[in-house]
Amino acid sequence: DAKTTQPPSMDCAEGRAANLPCNHSTISGNEYVYWYRQIHSQGPQYIIHGLKNNETNEMASLIITEDRKSSTLILPHATLRDTAVYYCIVRVESYGQNFVFGPGTRLSVLP
Amino acid sequence: GAGVSQSPSNKVTEKGKDVELRCDPISGHTALYWYRQSLGQGLEFLIYFQGNSAPDKSGLPSDRFSAERTGGSVSTLTIQRTQQEDSAVYLCASSSRGRNTGELFFGEGSRLTVL
Repeated sequence: DAKTTQPPSMDCAEGRAANLPCNHSTISGNEYVYWYRQIHSQGPQYIIHGLKNNETNEMASLIITEDRKSSTLILPHATLRDTAVYYCIVRVESYGQNFVFGPGTRLSVLP
Repeated sequence: GAGVSQSPSNKVTEKGKDVELRCDPISGHTALYWYRQSLGQGLEFLIYFQGNSAPDKSGLPSDRFSAERTGGSVSTLTIQRTQQEDSAVYLCASSSRGRNTGELFFGEGSRLTVL
């Protein structure tokens, strides 16, 4: 069972920041928050992950609340190519542990 | 290879036939996962292999589904006596033992259509 809750869909204007929320109120202390995205007809792609500190890479930023019960993935300047389904997953960072993908958020970046 | 390779990319078969789907993980990756995705749906976990450990088969939907991984590398997912509800994209992913064990690398998938 997925341990996360995400809105089914969101729109974002091109060039604006896209802020995708995720609730994980039952997250355990040793579980990380992972984000993946799936562009139409492709396999999912890793974006970012974190434990409790905010993280940033070349693709996105991850903001995790202090109580770790929710997080937000931020795409700072969304482009049309960012249109995809975004999956938030919580998982122990243990080699070989399974990933459970929920339905995700379908982000549509509009021109 | 540079990425996870799956074959065939497309397979059309008749109900009742057996099919085999192949996955070549990234060289050196010792964890391998199979998922399937029906049209418009999310990813459904099927099975994963972790090194030499016994595979986690908890996601296989029926005994018509099986998978093996030979030599710790290539994996084959076999579906016997296919049914129309088996139609889906079957995705394979691999990951390495290392700093970021959470980064799965997915292949492009094998699209199975059962007529």
